[in-house]
Amino acid sequence: KQEVTQIPAALSVPEGENLVLNCSFTDSAIYNLQWFRQDPGKGLTSLLLIQSSQREQTSGRLNASLDKSSGRSTLYIAASQPGDSATYLCAGGGLNDYKLSFGAGTTVTVRA
Amino acid sequence: ETGVTQTPRHLVMGMTNKKSLKCEQHLGHNAMYWYKQSAKKPLELMFVYSLEERVENNSVPSRFSPECPNSSHLFLHLHTLQPEDSALYLCASSQDRASGGYEQYFGPGTRLTVT
Repeated sequence: KQEVTQIPAALSVPEGENLVLNCSFTDSAIYNLQWFRQDPGKGLTSLLLIQSSQREQTSGRLNASLDKSSGRSTLYIAASQPGDSATYLCAGGGLNDYKLSFGAGTTVTVRA
Repeated sequence: ETGVTQTPRHLVMGMTNKKSLKCEQHLGHNAMYWYKQSAKKPLELMFVYSLEERVENNSVPSRFSPECPNSSHLFLHLHTLQPEDSALYLCASSQDRASGGYEQYFGPGTRLTVT
């Protein structure tokens, strides 16, 4: 069973600082890893999807890497802004099933 | 906002009520999902439908009954719920595995409170 862990559970940084969010998983047979953003009381917004053949994905100020051998993924957010304040979730999926195993999330607060 | 919509956004129901949650996706996907998000717990997958066929049932109590009449619509019928069923219920969609799609897109959720 895939278990996904996100540490720390919460993070507070001043505006402009770069953010580094960590995600670790137990099963290296993971096929894809997806990062999401969730605002309070809202649904999830997909940020980046890294598939098995890829090692990283970039979108604007966001960059996510995947290292299957070490069981880790990292989400980098450059030059953080107060609007980046949210909970960030990572989720891993296998090749032959529909399940995404989610971490509990890291709640980020960017102070103006 | 996104291509996945959910109604209602908020629902308060008593333990003896029957209600239904609705999800609709406008993305041309053929797999749909129900998730439960409780406070301070990771998202839990409840059901998966692919091409209107249920392909995953994650040991969910029978008081939750899913229905997928077509690839664009998904329902979750609720009856005789318990207070611990209070949570945010999220719907998602994706292309199915056979189509090589993996990215899941989520709706805004229904905040359910059982009194």
